[in-house]
Amino acid sequence: GEDVEQSLFLSVREGDSSVINCTYTDSSSTYLYWYKQEPGAGLQLLTYIFSNMDMKQDQRLTVLLNKKDKHLSLRIADTQTGDSAIYFCAEYTGTASKLTFGTGTRLQVTL
Amino acid sequence: SQTIHQWPATLVQPVGSPLSLECTVEGTSNPNLYWYRQAAGRGLQLLFYSVGIGQISSEVPQNLSASRPQDRQFILSSKKLLLSDSGFYLCAWTARQAFQETQYFGPGTRLLVL
Repeated sequence: GEDVEQSLFLSVREGDSSVINCTYTDSSSTYLYWYKQEPGAGLQLLTYIFSNMDMKQDQRLTVLLNKKDKHLSLRIADTQTGDSAIYFCAEYTGTASKLTFGTGTRLQVTL
Repeated sequence: SQTIHQWPATLVQPVGSPLSLECTVEGTSNPNLYWYRQAAGRGLQLLFYSVGIGQISSEVPQNLSASRPQDRQFILSSKKLLLSDSGFYLCAWTARQAFQETQYFGPGTRLLVL
């Protein structure tokens, strides 16, 4: 099977920017998502980007999409301690009504 | 607005005992429904998905099963639990829209098999 790949861990200082990277598998993916999971909780949808876009900004969040390299990133500006969580990227290819999730990146925000 | 519920929130079961986890969705009709498992410190594994009542697709062979007796109810079951069934079980739903599959997740059930 093919995997959506993410780095396992990222540590940043409060106030700095965080960049979480994801490499997805299917060049025909139509939608790409970022989810946030806080400890002991379900997944919360943060944002998504359609494949015909290369950037989307939503307050402190910026999503960049490089279709040629199948690379997706999530930038969090002015990272806060409340941003500490696991972040999952996911791709939807329009087949079989399924999302394929990445392995998750644990973001640790230090003071 | 739509909400998704999972019950119970936490469960401790002995090896070999049966399992029934419930997921219900409110505020929408005819959703696609999904069961995921998340082992400790790991990513999401899709277990089952359903596009309608009585329609279940299994992603991985295991001793778990799923059923959808009603449009907005999705149940995960096992006749005999294994230690390896421990994990965090997440239910999700999505509205059927062309080309988009935004999934919304429930709060999860933490299962510990001893």
